[in-house]
Amino acid sequence: AQTVTQSQPEMSVQEAETVTLSCTYDTSESDYYLFWYKQPPSRQMILVIRQEAYKQQNATENRFSVNFQKAAKSFSLKISDSQLGDAAMYFCAYRRNTGNQFYFGTGTSLTVIP
Amino acid sequence: DTEVTQTPKHLVMGMTNKKSLKCEQHMGHRAMYWYKQKAKKPPELMFVYSYEKLSINESVPSRFSPECPNSSLLNLHLHALQPEDSALYLCASSQQVRIYSGNTIYFGEGSWLTVV
Repeated sequence: AQTVTQSQPEMSVQEAETVTLSCTYDTSESDYYLFWYKQPPSRQMILVIRQEAYKQQNATENRFSVNFQKAAKSFSLKISDSQLGDAAMYFCAYRRNTGNQFYFGTGTSLTVIP
Repeated sequence: DTEVTQTPKHLVMGMTNKKSLKCEQHMGHRAMYWYKQKAKKPPELMFVYSYEKLSINESVPSRFSPECPNSSLLNLHLHALQPEDSALYLCASSQQVRIYSGNTIYFGEGSWLTVV
C-alpha cells in the first residue's frame, strides 16, 4: 500500500521569508503523480503544484517550487517570499498512474508571522 | 473553469433524519469522489464513481448512500447518522488517469455536517 508521510505537523515562517515543507512517500511503482494541496481556513482544498514522476525537472509555480528526489522518495515544497495568504494546512498527495485513488499525508499547518 | 459546487454549505440534522448532500461539476470529468474530513486531519476517501459507476467503496457504513445520477452530479444520501459522523464532506472530481492533465483532483468547498 502507498503511504505518504509529512513529518512536520506545524511550521511557521516570517512574512517574506522562505519555508520548506517535507513529504516522503512509499511506493513500488515507477510512474505516478505527486501533488501539494493547500487548505486555508475557508476549507476548500486548492491545488498548489503537481509533479509527474517521469519528469526529472522540478515543478515550479510562481513562488512555489518542489524538490523531487525520486530515488529517496522525497517531495518537498518550497514557498518563497511567504505571504500572509499562504497560511493554511498543506497536504502532500500521491496518485498512482492507474486507478482513481489519491493518498494524502497527514498535513502540515503553516503559520505566517507578520 | 475548474469548479466543483457543493450544497448545502452547512447542514444540521438529527439522528433520525434523512438528508442529502449534492455535488455538481461541469468540467467533463468522469471520476467523482466523496471524502470525509475531520478538523486538522487529511481527507478520508469514502466513495469513487468512475463513468457513473461505483468503483470504490472504502467500507463506508450503509447509513451513507452515494448516487451518481449523471456524469455531472453526485449525491450523498444520509440516514440515521451518528454524532461521530459530524465532519466536513468534500466532493471532488478528476479526469481518468492517462488523459493529459487528467491526473489532478479538484475539490469543492465542502459541506459541513453536524449530527445532533
